[in-house]
Amino acid sequence: LAKTTQPISMDSYEGQEVNITCSHNNIATNDYITWYQQFPSQGPRFIIQGYKTKVTNEVASLFIPADRKSSTLSLPRVSLSDTAVYYCLVGGFYNQGGKLIFGQGTELSVKP
Amino acid sequence: SAVISQKPSRDICQRGTSLTIQCQVDSQVTMMFWYRQQPGQSLTLIATANQGSEATYESGFVIDKFPISRPNLTFSTLTVSNMSPEDSSIYLCSAGQAPGNEQFFGPGTRLTVL
Repeated sequence: LAKTTQPISMDSYEGQEVNITCSHNNIATNDYITWYQQFPSQGPRFIIQGYKTKVTNEVASLFIPADRKSSTLSLPRVSLSDTAVYYCLVGGFYNQGGKLIFGQGTELSVKP
Repeated sequence: SAVISQKPSRDICQRGTSLTIQCQVDSQVTMMFWYRQQPGQSLTLIATANQGSEATYESGFVIDKFPISRPNLTFSTLTVSNMSPEDSSIYLCSAGQAPGNEQFFGPGTRLTVL
């Protein structure tokens, strides 16, 4: 499994765009990149998943460069309710029986 | 999507006792997993709950300490046996339909062992 490295914490202000970068130098050919969000006292929640280039949904965008050794989760115009821990996961889930291996995560604090 | 509930939501237990945590999914799912999360820490996968067969445990976790049942496609239990204060943690279950698809997590069970 590819090891991931993320900043431990980040601060932002309401209305700003937040970009959280995850490094995964040992990513394998069949690995996908997935991000989960966890609020205090709740289980993690799926945000977005991608393999290459750019993926966008109603919540976030995921940018993956051609070498796939890193990825960036972009949260547009954050609000106080986006304060949470964000986890970057890398794995070939299809041949891992669907297991999710969580790294340390990035604690995002959004201030007014 | 799937909605997952866990019982109990929290408990305080005495050393040496056992606690069984229930995980109920509102629809049939292929995959179910159990995780442990220490306060302020990330999640650690305990095991994969296999329907109709023995669970598959991750390194550092054994069946005698964390027996798991999965009698059908919507329900699983995790027992924390012979508890010690080091077992104090949040235990979460998750479920998904297929590898690579998003997984849904329960709210967790906060366990305190005295």
